[in-house]
Amino acid sequence: EAGVVQSPRYKIIEKKQPVAFWCNPISGHNTLYWYRQNLGQGPELLIRYENEEAVDDSQLPKDRFSAERLKGVDSTLKIQPAELGDSAVYLCASSLGGGLAVNEQFFGPGTRLTVL
Amino acid sequence: QKEVEQNSGPLSVPEGAIASLNCTYSDRVSQSFFWYRQYSGKSPELIMSIYSNGDKEDGRFTAQLNKASQYVSLLIRDSQPSDSATYLCAVMDSSYKLIFGSGTRLLVRP
Repeated sequence: EAGVVQSPRYKIIEKKQPVAFWCNPISGHNTLYWYRQNLGQGPELLIRYENEEAVDDSQLPKDRFSAERLKGVDSTLKIQPAELGDSAVYLCASSLGGGLAVNEQFFGPGTRLTVL
Repeated sequence: QKEVEQNSGPLSVPEGAIASLNCTYSDRVSQSFFWYRQYSGKSPELIMSIYSNGDKEDGRFTAQLNKASQYVSLLIRDSQPSDSATYLCAVMDSSYKLIFGSGTRLLVRP
């Protein structure tokens, strides 16, 4: 079974430029998550989708970040314009969703963003 | 603010020893608890999940949960140099949000 796929793996941009990350979850997983991980820290949730619906975007900086999950499968996270403090690893994860026992989240390889 | 606390380490153990990693959490209503392993430059990999008080064993790994004390631990028996990584404790809150600790770095000395 293929895991969570993310692209690109690395991205270097100048500040104020836009950037987009793409994620394809594990087949059959209804719930998709975007996390940001800073060096030496655990991942922090940015947004969670149940199918096409964003059910938790409270941590998403909405002035510059946007996300979409059309058709309830793959998803795109965008930053426009990027700031120096956005340098981090952006992780996508997916889970089956539903009840307690199926909330295990599986992560993709991540995109390492460097903003210069 | 819901918190998950871990000692940052590094925790250094000799090869073959038992490594004990600990985690405390603040949200009393948490129901689901997870341990992830993260190698340097890689993404987190799920190694254990636990939902009930007590022990759960999987190979060389044992997760222990004590909800009354709001404490989760991970024991790694017969530690190997390949176990050297950062171990992240994660706790799911009542809104299904996963809260991660900052991780404990484990070094297994050959």
